[in-house]
Amino acid sequence: SQKIEQNSEALNIQEGKTATLTCNYTNYSPAYLQWYRQDPGRGPVFLLLIRENEKEKRKERLKVTFDTTLKQSLFHITASQPADSATYLCALGRFNNAGNMLTFGGGTRLMVKP
Amino acid sequence: NAGVTQTPKFRVLKTGQSMTLLCAQDMNHEYMYWYRQDPGMGLRLIHYSVGEGTTAKGEVPDGYNVSRLKKQNFLLGLESAAPSQTSVYFCASSDRGRANYGYTFGSGTRLTVV
Repeated sequence: SQKIEQNSEALNIQEGKTATLTCNYTNYSPAYLQWYRQDPGRGPVFLLLIRENEKEKRKERLKVTFDTTLKQSLFHITASQPADSATYLCALGRFNNAGNMLTFGGGTRLMVKP
Repeated sequence: NAGVTQTPKFRVLKTGQSMTLLCAQDMNHEYMYWYRQDPGMGLRLIHYSVGEGTTAKGEVPDGYNVSRLKKQNFLLGLESAAPSQTSVYFCASSDRGRANYGYTFGSGTRLTVV
C-alpha cells in the first residue's frame, strides 16, 4: 500500500537558520505534491504545490524540491523565525474523476528558537 | 469570506449516541472532504463528494455516513458512536481542476466518545 513518511520527531533549529523537512513516499506515483502548515488547534493551511515535472518551486522564504526518482520532497524555510514554528504536512495528489485526491503524511513539528 | 466553517467545535458523546457534524463553505467549491486526524496517523479520508448529491467512500468510512444535499454543505453523521471515533475531524473543500490552490480546511471538531 502507498506510504508517506515524514519525520515524526520535532525539528529544533535556531532563528535565522534554514529549516529542512523531508517527505518520502513509496508505492505511489503522484502527479503533484503539496505542503501545508498546521498550527495547534487549527486546520492545515495550504502553502505550496509542486508538480511531477518540476524540480523546484519557491515562494518568498519557502523552497520545495521534488525528486520522483528518489520519491522524495524537501521543504526548506530560509531565515527561519519563531513565527514559523508549526507542524508541516506534505500531501501527494493525482487528478482523477473523483476530485483532486490527496493523501497526507503525518507531519513534522518545527520549533524555531529565538 | 468565511471559507470553511465547521460546527460544533467540541463535543462529548456517550457510546452509542448519534450526532451530525456540519461543514459549510462559501467559495462555491465543487469538491468537499471529511478527514479525521489522530496522533501519529496523520489525516485520513473518511468520505468525499465531487458535487451536489454525490458522495463516495474514502480510506476509513466504516461507522460514518455523509450527505451533500446542497453544494455548500457537507454533513458527517455518526449513527452509533464508539470510543474509536474519538478524534479531531476536519472538513475541507477544493475547486475543480485548481490543485494550485490546495484544499481549504475548516478549524476542526474535537470529538470525544466516552
